Amino acid sequence: LAKTTQPISMDSYEGQEVNITCSHNNIATNDYITWYQQFPSQGPRFIIQGYKTKVTNEVASLFIPADRKSSTLSLPRVSLSDTAVYYCLVGALPGAGNKLTFGGGTRVLVKP
Amino acid sequence: NAGVTQTPKFQVLKTGQSMTLQCAQDMNHEYMSWYRQDPGMGLRLIHYSVGAGITDQGEVPNGYNVSRSTTEDFPLRLLSAAPSQTSVYFCASSYRGRGFSYEQYFGPGTRLTVT
Repeated sequence: LAKTTQPISMDSYEGQEVNITCSHNNIATNDYITWYQQFPSQGPRFIIQGYKTKVTNEVASLFIPADRKSSTLSLPRVSLSDTAVYYCLVGALPGAGNKLTFGGGTRVLVKP
Repeated sequence: NAGVTQTPKFQVLKTGQSMTLQCAQDMNHEYMSWYRQDPGMGLRLIHYSVGAGITDQGEVPNGYNVSRSTTEDFPLRLLSAAPSQTSVYFCASSYRGRGFSYEQYFGPGTRLTVT
């Protein structure tokens, strides 16, 4: 299982860029890196997924170096509503020995 | 589409009771999973299914049973509830994209308290 390590918490201010780095030293060849956002009393919500290099969508960017042993989620110009817990998940779909494992998550607090 | 639905939203059980948490998805996803989330913690995989009739154990399967008779439904059974099973339970469904990529959708959760 690919174990992930993330910072426990981060503070930011409205309008700033937030970068959260996840370490996953034993990532396997078929593993994808996925980030989820979770608000209190809700299920996690998919943000972005990547395999290598850079991926960008309308809400975030994901940077993955060539060795794939870490990844960085970038949230541009955060607002108060981005206050949430962000999880890095490394793995492939369940099956054939793959089991998706969540880390402890990073609690992001956006201040006015 | 309703997405992933879970019932009930809240449940209180006494130690030793059994119950079934319901999960349904209307997206025709092959893959479904059950997770539990303890206070202040990440999610841990209990059981998963890669298709109707096929299930397997996750990280913390003890005390839980699953079955998958249809693509849409994936119920989780607690055989004999224990206080250690007090948690929030999330069901998720996934589809496979290109290669090994996937996207996982989560339900709203069931908050279970065992006294």
